[in-house]
Amino acid sequence: SAVISQKPSRDICQRGTSLTIQCQVDSQVTMMFWYRQQPGQSLTLIATANQGSEATYESGFVIDKFPISRPNLTFSTLTVSNMSPEDSSIYLCSARTSGSNEQFFGPGTRLTVL
Amino acid sequence: RKEVEQDPGPFNVPEGATVAFNCTYSNSASQSFFWYRQDCRKEPKLLMSVYSSGNEDGRFTAQLNRASQYISLLIRDSKLSDSATYLCVVAYYGQNFVFGPGTRLSVLP
Repeated sequence: SAVISQKPSRDICQRGTSLTIQCQVDSQVTMMFWYRQQPGQSLTLIATANQGSEATYESGFVIDKFPISRPNLTFSTLTVSNMSPEDSSIYLCSARTSGSNEQFFGPGTRLTVL
Repeated sequence: RKEVEQDPGPFNVPEGATVAFNCTYSNSASQSFFWYRQDCRKEPKLLMSVYSSGNEDGRFTAQLNRASQYISLLIRDSKLSDSATYLCVVAYYGQNFVFGPGTRLSVLP
């Protein structure tokens, strides 16, 4: 199993600013992901964080808006850039080891943009 | 058509009831299937994998019908603590997990 922690757990930000969310896994994992979940909605995959290379973004998400870093097998960051109220959501970090059936999630970061 | 679809819910059932959730998926090449549970304001957690022959874990039974591209979850003798959103998850080998929109269950005293 993997235990995932995220910082910050919540934040309230002003429009036009940026926030970087950190994700730490307690063991080496093959795959790390970033999801967004609007209240009452399901998970939407933003991107797969690739170690040592550019993240793989899903349709509708771009690197300029959501830059992602993954310097090693246990750590990743997601930045929400130039925020607007529409970016208010819960952002979840997730991880899985290749060949594993289980994907683990961090507790999420609750972001409110005013 | 969405890749994974679920009963919209919410399901409001009394304690002790049996409740079943359905899920359909559109990609016939899907190979792995799961049910995740998400409590209110918490992260999703794996409830159980779904195997071709069907499988049971205590009060929970999962079924897979590949021909119909259909997955189900049956909960017997519902407890108050079963109240949560249940997410159907489908994956190709080595590919991203695709999460369904979830079905909300409320078990009432």
